[in-house]
Amino acid sequence: DTEVTQTPKHLVMGMTNKKSLKCEQHMGHRAMYWYKQKAKKPPELMFVYSYEKLSINESVPSRFSPECPNSSLLNLHLHALQPEDSALYLCASSQVNRPKSSYEQYFGPGTRLTVT
Amino acid sequence: DAKTTQPPSMDCAEGRAANLPCNHSTISGNEYVYWYRQIHSQGPQYIIHGLKNNETNEMASLIITEDRKSSTLILPHATLRDTAVYYCIVRVLLLSGKLIFGQGTELSVKP
Repeated sequence: DTEVTQTPKHLVMGMTNKKSLKCEQHMGHRAMYWYKQKAKKPPELMFVYSYEKLSINESVPSRFSPECPNSSLLNLHLHALQPEDSALYLCASSQVNRPKSSYEQYFGPGTRLTVT
Repeated sequence: DAKTTQPPSMDCAEGRAANLPCNHSTISGNEYVYWYRQIHSQGPQYIIHGLKNNETNEMASLIITEDRKSSTLILPHATLRDTAVYYCIVRVLLLSGKLIFGQGTELSVKP
């Protein structure tokens, strides 16, 4: 199974709402990532988790709160978002500390978020 | 991570080889060249990577110049399903490395 799943596929939320994006993989990967992609732009890294610990935060505003409850799950909690936060949010996973691994990242299909 | 430069767009006839160039003149000795592609409305997909030798897999071939300052991704027999944005990324193989995507090349395969 080389699939990364993300739910929901689409999400519309108001600026005062609280919502969560979910990501799941069962490949035994111990690194998981959140990327944000605006229309016609490349993906931009937001967060990296390694062994369920936050290892990289790319200066993301606190209205985005990541969580990695176990090695298979990654959440992104959203609160008080702005319309400019509307984007495709991509989750990815990869091997960690595995000699001869290519460390390629496997991406999910993304959640398309619209903030109204 | 080193910066990469790719042409913004390319066309290719169906069934012909698609050759996608990438310049990475500031690449360091321990940085690998990775290629990903993103088909419209999907997540990026890993294609291939290499350090200094040419590489081939079931999807594509990667040719890296001897000085490692540029590379070419080759799709030997392009199909309409290969229409996508192709990203060339250089990175160190860290334990949990981040990918820095450039603008990529939008490849259109035409019948």
